[in-house]
Amino acid sequence: DQQVKQNSPSLSVQEGRISILNCDYTNSMFDYFLWYKKYPAEGPTFLISISSIKDKNEDGRFTVFLNKSAKHLSLHIVPSQPGDSAVYFCAAMQLSGTYKYIFGTGTRLKVLA
Amino acid sequence: DVKVTQSSRYLVKRTGEKVFLECVQDMDHENMFWYRQDPGLGLRLIYFSYDVKMKEKGDIPEGYSVSREKKERFSLILESASTNQTSMYLCASSALGDEKLFFGSGTQLSVL
Repeated sequence: DQQVKQNSPSLSVQEGRISILNCDYTNSMFDYFLWYKKYPAEGPTFLISISSIKDKNEDGRFTVFLNKSAKHLSLHIVPSQPGDSAVYFCAAMQLSGTYKYIFGTGTRLKVLA
Repeated sequence: DVKVTQSSRYLVKRTGEKVFLECVQDMDHENMFWYRQDPGLGLRLIYFSYDVKMKEKGDIPEGYSVSREKKERFSLILESASTNQTSMYLCASSALGDEKLFFGSGTQLSVL
């Protein structure tokens, strides 16, 4: 049972345009949702997070939107840059209990110059 | 900045060998985790620890064990390496009450 799903394995976007990466989840008890960026042969780096009590969080070019009724979140990157080309993972976690983070399978973003 | 250090970037081992992967974090984090990443499967949790000497199984603990004797160090042990354990292994840590998870740079393990 996959609690966090990223249904698009890959996405290509022109430089300067908006990149939208999507993530769906099934467990309404998650407290936080996070996005990570991963380059080949490196560990994931934290990008942005959002609390389950909010519907939007912004940090520079990155904005995460949370739609609780649809159990859906999205990461918007505006404007997209070639250096944004990487694999993006969404993750969900609960602060109580065992602190398990559940990750999606990732979306490979390619920003074309 | 939080630093999570994994002892090796690349490792090549033979089937049946005992393999130790070491991880050290410098931010006094309570929680530490071991994941493996495989193409198309995302990050899967092997084991985690929320305190010294405490450990809990993740989603795929078979064939692995862990050790946490000191707060800053979390070791992953492959008791008898097999070819299906060829993977990228990622260590991570987080502080109690904080949602952010910080990763090391990973160890690419090849078992031949």
